[in-house]
Amino acid sequence: LAKTTQPISMDSYEGQEVNITCSHNNIATNDYITWYQQFPSQGPRFIIQGYKTKVTNEVASLFIPADRKSSTLSLPRVSLSDTAVYYCLVGGLNQAGTALIFGKGTTLSVSS
Amino acid sequence: DSGVTQTPKHLITATGQRVTLRCSPRSGDLSVYWYQQSLDQGLQFLIQYYNGEERAKGNILERFSAQQFPDLHSELNLSSLELGDSALYFCASSESGTSYEQYFGPGTRLTVT
Repeated sequence: LAKTTQPISMDSYEGQEVNITCSHNNIATNDYITWYQQFPSQGPRFIIQGYKTKVTNEVASLFIPADRKSSTLSLPRVSLSDTAVYYCLVGGLNQAGTALIFGKGTTLSVSS
Repeated sequence: DSGVTQTPKHLITATGQRVTLRCSPRSGDLSVYWYQQSLDQGLQFLIQYYNGEERAKGNILERFSAQQFPDLHSELNLSSLELGDSALYFCASSESGTSYEQYFGPGTRLTVT
C-alpha cells in the first residue's frame, strides 16, 4: 500500500485555480490514484481517478507525471462551496477486495 | 445524493448497549463497505461485503460484526458499546468488489453516553 503525502491545508480565493499535489513515491505498477472530497459531517464523494498522464471530468483534472510518484488535483475557478477536505488515495486494492485507506487529507479553505 | 441510504441518522445510547446500523446500497451495486470516522482516528475502513460474502476486513473490533443480506442491504452491529465508539459510521457501495469508486451514504452519528 503506497503511502501518500499531501499538504495539511491550503487557502484560496473564489475564482482561482487550486492545485493540490500528492506524493506517492512507493506507488505500485497496478495502483490507481483516486481523489475524494468530503464536507463536514458528510460521506466522502468520489471526484476523479487516473493511472497516468491527464484525466479530466466536469469537476476536476488530475495530472500524473510519467514516473507516477506524484499527482496533482486541479480545481478550476473554485467557489466557496469547494471548501472541504480532499483526500488522495493510492492502492488499497488487495486480492480480496478494496479497502480505501484515507490519510489526513488537505483542508481547502476558499474565501471571498 | 449518492443513492446510498443509511438509517438511523442519529443514535444516542448508553455504554454497554448494542445497536444496529442499516445500509442500503445503490441500485445495482453488489459491494458494501463500512467505515468509521472519529475526530482522533479519521476515516477507518472496517469491513467489506460483496454479494453476501465477507470480502475484506480492516480494523474492525471483535465487538462489531456485519452482514449483507440477499437483497444486498447490510447491517453493522455494535455491541458492548464504549464511549470511544462514538463516531460517524459511513456505508459505501460499489458495483464490483474491487473498485476505488465508492459511493458513500450520509452516515449514522452514534453517540455513546
